[in-house]
This record gives sequence, structure tokens and C-alpha cells, in this order.
Amino acid sequence: QKEVEQNSGPLSVPEGAIASLNCTYSDRGSQSFFWYRQYSGKSPELIMSIYSNGDKEDGRFTAQLNKASQYVSLLIRDSQPSDSATYLCAVRSAGNQFYFGTGTSLTVIP
Amino acid sequence: GAVVSQHPSWVICKSGTSVKIECRSLDFQATTMFWYRQFPKQSLMLMATSNEGSKATYEQGVEKDKFLINHASLTLSTLTVTSAHPEDSSFYICSARDTQLKFTDTQYFGPGTRLTVL
Repeated sequence: QKEVEQNSGPLSVPEGAIASLNCTYSDRGSQSFFWYRQYSGKSPELIMSIYSNGDKEDGRFTAQLNKASQYVSLLIRDSQPSDSATYLCAVRSAGNQFYFGTGTSLTVIP
Repeated sequence: GAVVSQHPSWVICKSGTSVKIECRSLDFQATTMFWYRQFPKQSLMLMATSNEGSKATYEQGVEKDKFLINHASLTLSTLTVTSAHPEDSSFYICSARDTQLKFTDTQYFGPGTRLTVL
């Protein structure tokens, strides 16, 4: 079982819609959770971090964490074509190791 | 804040030569830096964890004698690809964690180095 799992997609949504990206992790003791965005040919850039159960909002982005279900998600409201990228979920485990998912490819259709 | 730089951003070399890539944390100290490799249309693959003042920890399947890592200061880690071959052509990305938690425990990525071995 992989430490962090994501649906590889591709996920396509129309412009203006909500994009929902999901991630599950295996280490129940994990404490820190991150979403990164990676454009083709570029390195990942941090979108959000979340540490507590519930929702955390930052502009059009909302991260949701459910530690009991070992699940973290990212919602992108009012999706724009510029949001088209690969989204990486990362988790810092109880053993202080960072694990990345394989990424979900998102395409926002104008 | 939380800027990580890499140099060079792009390098082409002949087969058999060695290439050094630098990773610097510009506005924070990083006891730990990470080196990743990414092939086209594939996910990030962690190669090694670089620890300041000690030996790097390599992931399974990564040749430590081929990919030499030196983390001599709290702001600089280097990756040297020795005797590079065309199959080593890839996008190499480093990341760093803020030791003093000025920017929390997030990993911040450098812009990457694209290596092409002819």
C-alpha cells in the first residue's frame, strides 16, 4: 500500500465549476498535510497546508482534512483555465517523513 | 519568503562527464533538504534526503556512488551526478524544510534543473 494515494485523473471540469481533488494516506499518526500545484515543466509550488480536522479556506481554494478517515481534499471554486495543472498531495508522517502522491492532472475547459 | 534556488537551471553535458547541481535556501536555514527526480509525465521520485553535517539518506534503488550529495551548510546542498549517461537525463528538483519553523514545516521547492546528457 502506498503511503499517499491520489486518483491520477485526468480530471476535466468546465470553467467556473468546482474541481474536487482527493487524497488518502496510510499513516494514521500523520500531522501535516499539503497541496502543491505543478505546471508542466515546472517545479511544484505550495498551495495550502492544513494541520487540523475541518476546512481551511484561502481564496478560491479550500482544503478539507478528516483524520479519522485519513482523507484530505482540495476544492477549487470558480475553476479557471490557468488552474490546469497537476496537483500533488503531500503528507508528513508521524515518523517525520514526507510522502507525495503521484498527482492528479486537472484540465479546466474554457 | 521561503525561497529556494537551484543552479544551473538547465545543463547539457556529454556522456561520461560529471554535473554538479546546487540547491540553496535563500531566506531560511534548512537542516534537511530533499532531492527529487522527475521524468516526463511521471511523478516526483525522492532520491535522497540531505542532512546538514552528516551523510545523506538514499532511497532504495538510488546509487549513492553515482549521485553524490553534500550538505555542508544550513543553506546549501549539492547533488553531483557522476559519469552521467543519457538515461540520467531528467528534471532534478530540490526542496528544503525550514529548520527554525519560521515558515512552518512545509517543503519549499527549488525551480528545478533540467539535465540532458548527450
